[in-house]
Amino acid sequence: AQTVTQSQPEMSVQEAETVTLSCTYDTSESDYYLFWYKQPPSRQMILVIRQEAYKQQNATENRFSVNFQKAAKSFSLKISDSQLGDAAMYFCAYRNNLSGAGSYQLTFGKGTKLSVIP
Amino acid sequence: EAGVAQSPRYKIIEKRQSVAFWCNPISGHATLYWYQQILGQGPKLLIQFQNNGVVDDSQLPKDRFSAERLKGVDSTLKIQPAKLEDSAVYLCASSLRTGGRLNTEAFFGQGTRLTVV
Repeated sequence: AQTVTQSQPEMSVQEAETVTLSCTYDTSESDYYLFWYKQPPSRQMILVIRQEAYKQQNATENRFSVNFQKAAKSFSLKISDSQLGDAAMYFCAYRNNLSGAGSYQLTFGKGTKLSVIP
Repeated sequence: EAGVAQSPRYKIIEKRQSVAFWCNPISGHATLYWYQQILGQGPKLLIQFQNNGVVDDSQLPKDRFSAERLKGVDSTLKIQPAKLEDSAVYLCASSLRTGGRLNTEAFFGQGTRLTVV
């Protein structure tokens, strides 16, 4: 079974600074997706960024980028120029990409609570 | 495009009572998921539908939880009877497709916060 581990329960960052959230995962599959979701107090999970395992290039979305190390099974999220609106819970998630019928469920880590200090 | 709609937003019930949650996915989305998120943890999949058929319900406590997706659109999740440990946020999500490389992103609703007292 796949597992996702986020070892930082809480992190804080000064506004306009950069912060990196860590995530490791365990899988025997070679083809899969990794995601970072943001969950503000409204509870809605919002997709921040995704990475396909077969792509070597790290994904980037504006101020958000990842450092994907497939051999080390590591998937960290870097937030640059942090803004007050970035404060939220951040969840790392794994999804396999098996072909054919089956479940493509997301497996989530326990989350990291990010605080942004003005 | 309207997002995933869930109701109610909050529910407080006594243990041993029953409760039902409703989800309306994004129009045209074939796949629907119900997740349970206990405080301090990440969401855990309870059940996944592909149209009106169940794809995976291996983590659904079937002695007390049930779910249906009539006509492959709306879905309801029911708990009967509720236990204290069922207190959690119940998230519904939908995606256009289940597998492959395209159109598989899951969009989430705002969830229902259930408190069992």
